[in-house]
Amino acid sequence: GAVVSQHPSWVICKSGTSVKIECRSLDFQATTMFWYRQFPKQSLMLMATSNEGSKATYEQGVEKDKFLINHASLTLSTLTVTSAHPEDSSFYICSALPGWRPEQYFGPGTRLTVT
Amino acid sequence: SQELEQSPQSLIVQEGKNLTINCTSSKTLYGLYWYKQKYGEGLIFLMMLQKGGEEKSHEKITAKLDEKKQQSSLHITASQPSHAGIYLCGAQGAGNQFYFGTGTSLTVIP
Repeated sequence: GAVVSQHPSWVICKSGTSVKIECRSLDFQATTMFWYRQFPKQSLMLMATSNEGSKATYEQGVEKDKFLINHASLTLSTLTVTSAHPEDSSFYICSALPGWRPEQYFGPGTRLTVT
Repeated sequence: SQELEQSPQSLIVQEGKNLTINCTSSKTLYGLYWYKQKYGEGLIFLMMLQKGGEEKSHEKITAKLDEKKQQSSLHITASQPSHAGIYLCGAQGAGNQFYFGTGTSLTVIP
């Protein structure tokens, strides 16, 4: 149990376009999900906390207008990278927090390449 | 936010050698996690430590949390090429956020 999926697993888009990444908790409900990004040879950095039914909370330095987060249901959070640029190319991982325990479950990640 | 500093930043060892990775927190840890990852791939959960002085082992990997619960170490015995990757410590923040350490890149030379 406690499986988190992400879609797509990898995506290539052109500069200036927007791309949406989905994070789903497959067998549990998650009122809270988190989004991380990772650059090559670096650690994962928390971008934002996604709360079902309310606005996301962004970490300092993360542009909320560029990285739109929507947590429309208890099993789905989406991250939209708007007007993507090559510097947005990165590996994005989500995690979900089930209600019955404090541990998070991580998705497999999405590799975004902006050309 | 929870600040987790890992050392060393990168490590290159000969196969068969032992190695240790450290994770130091600026605050008391109430749960310290160790993960292994390769860039562009998902996280592999290794171990979770909660109690001061706790030590856990799995195969050739041993993780310890100090008594003050501000420092953890990950020790690999007789390293193998399969151990290569990025090792990340992580901890829960006050608002359920999860923060990762700065990461340690391990290369094992056959």
